[in-house]
Amino acid sequence: GAVVSQHPSWVICKSGTSVKIECRSLDFQATTMFWYRQFPKQSLMLMATSNEGSKATYEQGVEKDKFLINHASLTLSTLTVTSAHPEDSSFYICSASTGDTNEQFFGPGTRLTVL
Amino acid sequence: GQNIDQPTEMTATEGAIVQINCTYQTSGFNGLFWYQQHAGEAPTFLSYNVLDGLEEKGRFSSFLSRSKGYSYLLLKELQMKDSASYLCAVRVWGTDKLIFGTGTRLQVFP
Repeated sequence: GAVVSQHPSWVICKSGTSVKIECRSLDFQATTMFWYRQFPKQSLMLMATSNEGSKATYEQGVEKDKFLINHASLTLSTLTVTSAHPEDSSFYICSASTGDTNEQFFGPGTRLTVL
Repeated sequence: GQNIDQPTEMTATEGAIVQINCTYQTSGFNGLFWYQQHAGEAPTFLSYNVLDGLEEKGRFSSFLSRSKGYSYLLLKELQMKDSASYLCAVRVWGTDKLIFGTGTRLQVFP
């Protein structure tokens, strides 16, 4: 149980285009989902917290107009990187929590490369 | 502010014991987590401490001292597959947010 999937697992896009990444909780309802970014050889950096049916809460320094987050249902959150640039190339990881346990369940990550 | 520190890299020998330290200064504390992450993969949960003391789970143990803002992860009987990054994360009081430390890359040699 407690499986989180992400799609796509990797994506290559041209500079200036937008990319959407999906995060799904497959066998549980996620009241809260989190989006992280991880650069090579660095730790996870929290970008935003997403609650179903409400606006995401962004961490300081993360542009909400560039990283659009939609948490439309209790099993799906999406992150859209708008007008992507090479510096947005990174490993994007989502996690989900039910609120009932101490754990966050992580997705397998999406590697974004912007050319 | 939030500050969570770990050693950047550690090496150890197969079969040995290694201790990975984590010190934290956060605005509110509601538990400390340890995760293992292999390159290119998502983190996997190892342990959780919210009260002072030692939590043991097979070859892995984790210790917490809240007054000292200190935790460690102890790995026993090291195996080659334990070569990975180990991430310490603090949950912020009143939220489910996790703030991750800098991560420790552990290399296990034969």
